[in-house]
Amino acid sequence: EAGVAQSPRYKIIEKRQSVAFWCNPISGHATLYWYQQILGQGPKLLIQFQNNGVVDDSQLPKDRFSAERLKGVDSTLKIQPAKLEDSAVYLCASSKVKGSTGELFFGEGSRLTVL
Amino acid sequence: GQQVMQIPQYQHVQEGEDFTTYCNSSTTLSNIQWYKQRPGGHPVFLIQLVKSGEVKKQKRLTFQFGEAKKNSSLHITATQTTDVGTYFCAGRKAAGNKLTFGGGTRVLVKP
Repeated sequence: EAGVAQSPRYKIIEKRQSVAFWCNPISGHATLYWYQQILGQGPKLLIQFQNNGVVDDSQLPKDRFSAERLKGVDSTLKIQPAKLEDSAVYLCASSKVKGSTGELFFGEGSRLTVL
Repeated sequence: GQQVMQIPQYQHVQEGEDFTTYCNSSTTLSNIQWYKQRPGGHPVFLIQLVKSGEVKKQKRLTFQFGEAKKNSSLHITATQTTDVGTYFCAGRKAAGNKLTFGGGTRVLVKP
């Protein structure tokens, strides 16, 4: 079974530029998550999708971050314009089970450096 | 909002010794999960606890969910160098679906 695929693995941009990350979850996983992990901290949920609908985006900085999951499969996360504090690893995860159970399968992450 | 805290933040352990890391939630949880992240890697699921007072074992790892479902612990016996990494607990509120991660316990093993 293929895992969660993410790209790019690394991205370096200057502040005020834009960046987009792509995620393809495990086949058949209805729930998709984007987490932000700043160095030395735990993952912080940015947005959670159930199929192509948003379940939770309460911690997504909507003035600069956007995410979509068209057709309920792969997803993109965009940052525009980027700030220095956006430097982090952006982890995509998917889970198979609906509701309040189910382990998360994480991708390798996309490491963003904002200069 | 919901907060999940882990202590200690760092754990230096002599190889062969035991240690315990603790996870505390500001709210009652429906379930709690534990993940391990190796240096440079991504979080990998270890286990999920659902019932009050539940205890589960995986080889040298023992996981416990508190009676009030607000705290959890991970105990590792006879620590090995392969145990190096950061251990995260992550909890879901009783009425919600969002999985909130703690700050993690970074484990370093001295050979």
